[in-house]
Amino acid sequence: SQTIHQWPATLVQPVGSPLSLECTVEGTSNPNLYWYRQAAGRGLQLLFYSIGIDQISSEVPQNLSASRPQDRQFILSSKKLLLSDSGFYLCAWSAGGRASYNSPLHFGNGTRLTVT
Amino acid sequence: SQQGEEDPQALSIQEGENATMNCSYKTSINNLQWYRQNSGRGLVHLILIRSNEREKHSGRLRVTLDTSKKSSSLLITASRAADTASYFCATDAISNYQLIWGAGTKLIIKP
Repeated sequence: SQTIHQWPATLVQPVGSPLSLECTVEGTSNPNLYWYRQAAGRGLQLLFYSIGIDQISSEVPQNLSASRPQDRQFILSSKKLLLSDSGFYLCAWSAGGRASYNSPLHFGNGTRLTVT
Repeated sequence: SQQGEEDPQALSIQEGENATMNCSYKTSINNLQWYRQNSGRGLVHLILIRSNEREKHSGRLRVTLDTSKKSSSLLITASRAADTASYFCATDAISNYQLIWGAGTKLIIKP
């Protein structure tokens, strides 16, 4: 069966420090991968999505970046964090290719990031 | 602006009662999905209903879709304390395949 791992679960970082959040998927190949951010009590904001290695689309211009060095690995990074980067970050995957249509998302357990 | 808007924002009911949440959207869709999120956790997919479907069931969950009114409802029957969570609808617009999310309904089941 497919599983998704996201770490760390919580992170407290000072303003101006770098960030690296990692997500890996097991049990499937060529998944679509997503990074979302969720503000407290709000819905999800799509940050990045990827349909394949080195195929990453950015939805929101900001100081974050994403990379997909391997088929089932998705990394969210920042060179210098801002206070406004605080939030709950969620990685997700869905079936890729021709199966992507009407395919649900499967989420990791999220990372609570606090920038101080 | 948000595609999906859930209503109510919060709902508190007694265990055993039925809970109904609504979702409205603005543009034509391929499908609509409902997810549950327990506090501090990731979202869990509940049901996907296609635009040509009107009703779908999964256990104690019943989802309806009215494309003429651009709305959907999620009914949880015989609620349990474990149903306490936030519930989100997400729509997959015909114009692109990115899901658009509502702000969610926070459901509290009182024992």
